[in-house]
Amino acid sequence: AQKITQTQPGMFVQEKEAVTLDCTYDTSDQSYGLFWYKQPSSGEMIFLIYQGSYDEQNATEGRYSLNFQKARKSANLVISASQLGDSAMYFCAMRMDSSYKLIFGSGTRLLVRP
Amino acid sequence: GAVVSQHPSRVICKSGTSVKIECRSLDFQATTMFWYRQFPKQSLMLMATSNEGSKATYEQGVEKDKFLINHASLTLSTLTVTSAHPEDSSFYICSAMGEVGGAFSGANVLTFGAGSRLTVL
Repeated sequence: AQKITQTQPGMFVQEKEAVTLDCTYDTSDQSYGLFWYKQPSSGEMIFLIYQGSYDEQNATEGRYSLNFQKARKSANLVISASQLGDSAMYFCAMRMDSSYKLIFGSGTRLLVRP
Repeated sequence: GAVVSQHPSRVICKSGTSVKIECRSLDFQATTMFWYRQFPKQSLMLMATSNEGSKATYEQGVEKDKFLINHASLTLSTLTVTSAHPEDSSFYICSAMGEVGGAFSGANVLTFGAGSRLTVL
């Protein structure tokens, strides 16, 4: 069975500093994708970054980077130069290439302090 | 870019009534749509996968007769909560997958609707 684990229910970070949100996953599939989404209080799901299981380089999108360690089955999100607008819930998700279903972790609430 | 519209954004209904939530892909054809449910301060739970023109596939534990899903066209999927009760109150979110401009991005990114908050009195 596939599983996504986010062990940090809440995190604080000072504005302009970097923060790492943890995500580990479990799957026996060889081909899969890992995603991070941001959910502000309005409820919409905002796509941040994607990493394919066969991608050798860590994904980066602006201030977001994904620290992908395949052997450890971890896909941590790094947000650099935090901004007040980064305060939100962050979900790690996994999709099997065989089914296209997204399975979400329990989420991490990030609060950026001024 | 790919846009998914979800309507209504908020709905309040009386116990025992049925409520329909629409999920539309505005600028692409969505061959597959997913419906999620999210309780306050919890994660998204996949309810069902709907493919255009065929019956939806429900996740274990989701009542098919309670949550009716129809995907009659490549741009529209609907979720009907039948005989709603207060415990059905939740945030329902759809996501759509399909070709945008004739080709997927390399990421096969799913596009989410903005969600529908259902309150059953």
